[in-house]
Amino acid sequence: GAGVSQSPRYKVAKRGQDVALRCDPISGHVSLFWYQQALGQGPEFLTYFQNEAQLDKSGLPSDRFFAERPEGSVSTLKIQRTQQEDSAVYLCASSVLLAPYNEQFFGPGTRLTVL
Amino acid sequence: DAKTTQPPSMDCAEGRAANLPCNHSTISGNEYVYWYRQIHSQGPQYIIHGLKNNETNEMASLIITEDRKSSTLILPHATLRDTAVYYCIVRAVNDYKLSFGAGTTVTVRA
Repeated sequence: GAGVSQSPRYKVAKRGQDVALRCDPISGHVSLFWYQQALGQGPEFLTYFQNEAQLDKSGLPSDRFFAERPEGSVSTLKIQRTQQEDSAVYLCASSVLLAPYNEQFFGPGTRLTVL
Repeated sequence: DAKTTQPPSMDCAEGRAANLPCNHSTISGNEYVYWYRQIHSQGPQYIIHGLKNNETNEMASLIITEDRKSSTLILPHATLRDTAVYYCIVRAVNDYKLSFGAGTTVTVRA
């Protein structure tokens, strides 16, 4: 079956623009995660959803970052007034359940470049 | 605070076993050891996980020392497609996040 998909794959934004990044998780997966990966570093946790409920947003770097998953499937990560330091790959992952032994399946990521 | 320590890079010959070390000396009793890898321009991919027993699956083997302070991921017959960054992650039972470090960049050479 299809894996996690993300769109767009690449996004170039001018500083100050708003962007929206989409994640389509694997069908039936309850948990959804967003991570941010700066160049040359490992991914860092941003936020977590269980169905439509955002249970943890402790990793969001500022109030310019907002994520939603209104129907418990597709999720959107929105960044308002983008800054150069927002340039990174944004990864989405989903898993069947919350239990730690459930592996997270990652999408290919969206590479955001802010000029 | 990094919970794991991995060498930044290592090379491996194609067809040979690759042994990737990870130090997690402060691991707690309820924490698992996970391994993920990330091939260039792709998202991370789950490889294997374990608590205290050695584990094996179709991709790799995980050897955890008896005191659980370190582990080794073994890729039995490395291929060029195994070139990737490998992340060793310690994760508690009640923790849903994956905390990635810098990982080990493994280059498999023909």
